[in-house]
Amino acid sequence: SQQGEEDPQALSIQEGENATMNCSYKTSINNLQWYRQNSGRGLVHLILIRSNEREKHSGRLRVTLDTSKKSSSLLITASRAADTASYFCAPDARTGANNLFFGTGTRLTVIP
Amino acid sequence: IAGITQAPTSQILAAGRRMTLRCTQDMRHNAMYWYRQDLGLGLRLIHYSNTAGTTGKGEVPDGYSVSRANTDDFPLTLASAVPSQTSVYFCASSDRPGDIQYFGAGTRLSVL
Repeated sequence: SQQGEEDPQALSIQEGENATMNCSYKTSINNLQWYRQNSGRGLVHLILIRSNEREKHSGRLRVTLDTSKKSSSLLITASRAADTASYFCAPDARTGANNLFFGTGTRLTVIP
Repeated sequence: IAGITQAPTSQILAAGRRMTLRCTQDMRHNAMYWYRQDLGLGLRLIHYSNTAGTTGKGEVPDGYSVSRANTDDFPLTLASAVPSQTSVYFCASSDRPGDIQYFGAGTRLSVL
């Protein structure tokens, strides 16, 4: 499968704490992307990390990529109630039509 | 800036009926995609188009057809709807395959 698989499936934390979500995949990739989905809405792109990058930051987000382990993590620091959403990773497999394959996501709940 | 527009927002459809979900983008993106999202299964790619005039099959293409007559529009047609096609459908676009995808707000379809 070319899908990303997120772990954990659900995560509940207190506001102000850090949230870490993990993603594993099985194929060689060009890049890996993380998306966020608020309930009932479309997905919104958060960050793209290329296969030759190991870490990338965007505001309170930090993404790491370990291509040897075929894994990535998304860290949200100093979480806020507004961060409550589902988070998806999407590897862009090196073979095929360069489509993204989304997993089932991690449902993050940040308790005020 | 409209981005990706999907219509209708929601629809209840009798089994056996034909239905076309509309998707229009104003970003002049080359690639467009249709996904379905079901609880516990994440987003699954139905069909894609890497450029106007071309289409390809995704993970779950059966029962669906698409066309890409121009850059902006990418309609998804259910020729004869079945209850298993009850889902939330998302259209997305990207400048090129593998790039950041921009999603519409989704169409919630119920087939009875």
